[in-house]
Amino acid sequence: EAGVTQFPSHSVIEKGQTVTLRCDPISGHDNLYWYRRVMGKEIKFLLHFVKESKQDESGMPNNRFLAERTGGTYSTLKVQPAELEDSGVYFCASSRLAYEQYFGPGTRLTVT
Amino acid sequence: SQQGEEDPQALSIQEGENATMNCSYKTSINNLQWYRQNSGRGLVHLILIRSNEREKHSGRLRVTLDTSKKSSSLLITASRAADTASYFCATDVRTDKLIFGTGTRLQVFP
Repeated sequence: EAGVTQFPSHSVIEKGQTVTLRCDPISGHDNLYWYRRVMGKEIKFLLHFVKESKQDESGMPNNRFLAERTGGTYSTLKVQPAELEDSGVYFCASSRLAYEQYFGPGTRLTVT
Repeated sequence: SQQGEEDPQALSIQEGENATMNCSYKTSINNLQWYRQNSGRGLVHLILIRSNEREKHSGRLRVTLDTSKKSSSLLITASRAADTASYFCATDVRTDKLIFGTGTRLQVFP
């Protein structure tokens, strides 16, 4: 069974540019989560999809971040415009059961 | 508010020694989980302990949970160089989202 995949693995962009991160969950997993780890701090929850619906987006930092999951399969997280403090590692996870989350390798975002 | 805090922040040991990491949290939980992250890779789920459990074993891993103290410990016995990684505890309260601690960086020297 293929695991959670994320693309790209690393992205370097300039402040003010736009970046779109993609996550492909494990097939059959209705739950999809985004987390991020900024500046070596703790990993923080961003949002949770159940199929294509946003179940909880309480962790989204501001309106520069937009997450979508059209069709309930893969998800994208767009940052527009990117700021320096957005640099970090963005993790995606999926699950069939709520607490058994399987994480992808993460996308390292560097904003210069 | 930060839910989990790991202690120590960094730990260096020799192969064969045991490594103990601690995690404290602030609110009541449903489950507590431990994850490992190897450099540049994703989070790997290690073990889950439910709030009504006190101890759990998985191979060389032993996890304890003390809900009265709101703390958990992860013990890795007979450590190996391949155990070098960052270790995170994560709790879930009533929702699906996991709340992570800051992690412990473990370095195991051959």
